[in-house]
Amino acid sequence: GEDVEQSLFLSVREGDSSVINCTYTDSSSTYLYWYKQEPGAGLQLLTYIFSNMDMKQDQRLTVLLNKKDKHLSLRIADTQTGDSAIYFCAETSNTGKLIFGQGTTLQVKP
Amino acid sequence: DADVTQTPRNRITKTGKRIMLECSQTKGHDRMYWYRQDPGLGLQLIYYSFDVKDINKGEISDGYSVSRQAQAKFSLSLESAIPNQTALYFCATSDSKSYEQYFGPGTRLTVT
Repeated sequence: GEDVEQSLFLSVREGDSSVINCTYTDSSSTYLYWYKQEPGAGLQLLTYIFSNMDMKQDQRLTVLLNKKDKHLSLRIADTQTGDSAIYFCAETSNTGKLIFGQGTTLQVKP
Repeated sequence: DADVTQTPRNRITKTGKRIMLECSQTKGHDRMYWYRQDPGLGLQLIYYSFDVKDINKGEISDGYSVSRQAQAKFSLSLESAIPNQTALYFCATSDSKSYEQYFGPGTRLTVT
């Protein structure tokens, strides 16, 4: 069945780059998403990539998609303490639903 | 005003009680979803509805029921709450043209 996997935790120092990785199984996914969840809040869409693209850049965020390996990554440049949150990768399924990964907790140390 | 609202935001209830969580949206979206979030498990889909007359089970629907009273309202019920239903519950909406989902602020439910 459809599955999305992420590592659970990443710790970086302020000013460094963060790279959060995700693997997925459904090769028919149309869009892949990155959501951010700050403490005590719901999920907010950070960025997304269409499946026929291999890279998308949006200010400090870079999304890389390797469709052959079904691997998605989110790079945050110049990571700030305000970037500390849980980051969820999600893929679309052919039934119109989103399948979420377990979430990666990003800890940014000053 | 928030586009997706959930009530209550926090609830403590006892085992065996019936409880209803409400979700309302002002985005005009036709699709609505209920998820639960547990640490380390991400979001699991409980039920979803693609329009007012459409209700579908998600991955973990046992012990839950839903009602789509109107396009803007989707409620989740626990008929007889049990402690392992203690979790954070999120409602989300999307329209039929985009897979992007908009989330409510969540309801923290504790069953003692």
